[in-house]
Amino acid sequence: DTAVSQTPKYLVTQMGNDKSIKCEQNLGHDTMYWYKQDSKKFLKIMFSYNNKELIINETVPNRFSPKSPDKAHLNLHINSLELGDSAVYFCASSSGTGGRNTEAFFGQGTRLTVV
Amino acid sequence: AQSVSQHNHHVILSEAASLELGCNYSYGGTVNLFWYVQYPGQHLQLLLKYFSGDPLVKGIKGFEAEFIKSKFSFNLRKPSVQWSDTAEYFCAVNAGSSASKIIFGSGTRLSIRP
Repeated sequence: DTAVSQTPKYLVTQMGNDKSIKCEQNLGHDTMYWYKQDSKKFLKIMFSYNNKELIINETVPNRFSPKSPDKAHLNLHINSLELGDSAVYFCASSSGTGGRNTEAFFGQGTRLTVV
Repeated sequence: AQSVSQHNHHVILSEAASLELGCNYSYGGTVNLFWYVQYPGQHLQLLLKYFSGDPLVKGIKGFEAEFIKSKFSFNLRKPSVQWSDTAEYFCAVNAGSSASKIIFGSGTRLSIRP
């Protein structure tokens, strides 16, 4: 069983389109994250949700809108895609916030290519 | 603000060589430290973690790391690398008991010559 699963694995789309990436975890965790990994492999946190509530929003353009319908899901919707949005997006989860609870488990990643 | 520095961007070794990857963090209080590995085309997997106790932490696949509080360091080591260790290695820190995110270093690419 995949602990943190993301769909789709690959996404190629044109500039200006709107797209969504879905994430689900079956670990019973309370906290979920979205990270962006750029072409230089640098990982930067975008959002964090705890029990469906947004707790971290790291100065991400408001074209990016996360949605957490329940604790097990955190989806990422991106409006008006730009070339610079091309990256690998990783979903992750942890049991909670603070200390040992922040050990994160990562999904397989979604490679987004904007053309 | 918390930050994590990995000064080695790309390390190239021959099989059976010993490995040490540097990691330094900036935060004066309690920290939780992690090393993650990303094999080509794959997601991040946890190698090892430090929360408290013995500063020498052993992880999977023969890796270990030592937390040196006075140096703000958490270097990753392996006595004898294999070709299959070729991957990107990320050091990460979560600072404080209530901090709710992990900050990653910029990663070190490890290439092993067979």
